[in-house]
Amino acid sequence: DTGVSQNPRHKITKRGQNVTFRCDPISEHNRLYWYRQTLGQGPEFLTYFQNEAQLEKSRLLSDRFSAERPKGSFSTLEIQRTEQGDSAMYLCASSLSSSGSTDTQYFGPGTRLTVL
Amino acid sequence: GEDVEQSLFLSVREGDSSVINCTYTDSSSTYLYWYKQEPGAGLQLLTYIFSNMDMKQDQRLTVLLNKKDKHLSLRIADTQTGDSAIYFCAEAPDTVNYGGSQGNLIFGKGTKLSVKP
Repeated sequence: DTGVSQNPRHKITKRGQNVTFRCDPISEHNRLYWYRQTLGQGPEFLTYFQNEAQLEKSRLLSDRFSAERPKGSFSTLEIQRTEQGDSAMYLCASSLSSSGSTDTQYFGPGTRLTVL
Repeated sequence: GEDVEQSLFLSVREGDSSVINCTYTDSSSTYLYWYKQEPGAGLQLLTYIFSNMDMKQDQRLTVLLNKKDKHLSLRIADTQTGDSAIYFCAEAPDTVNYGGSQGNLIFGKGTKLSVKP
């Protein structure tokens, strides 16, 4: 078990460019979550998947953001036409969900995005 | 929406106990979590408590839950310099749509713990 991994760890881009981040969850975990964390704040929920189905999206997830989990394993988060306000740490978490259990989320190291 | 409140800073001396407090708002939350974040890193799960418990102890960590007041605390015994980090409280509101298990976590802003030698 290697834990949740995220790539890249850091991304610097110019305003208006598109960026894509990848998350590899813990191998047997069926749920995968994306959060955004800005300086001095706690993580804020963006979206989550159960297997390949995207079950919930936050109002923070504008139409410039899209997430996929095509085979129910890794996930990608794409931001189109980046804005300076998109600068943040993007965190991925995964969990093994079963009815009546705790569904504990384990986090990856994050991808820090800087939009110039 | 729900808000999880935490004090922003706590400073203690090495060897003392640290107590980090949290107030949550959603009484439907079935699990409450404590995570630790070191600079530039992701979140590390420390411990969690089920809402029908009032205390949970795990080595140097003790979690107390007062469900009536929606108050959660994390006590770290014999605090070490390596405990210096930001500590986040998070609640998992019960969402019946998900078969009784949780969806997203709602985090506080975090408490920055500084441990002085």
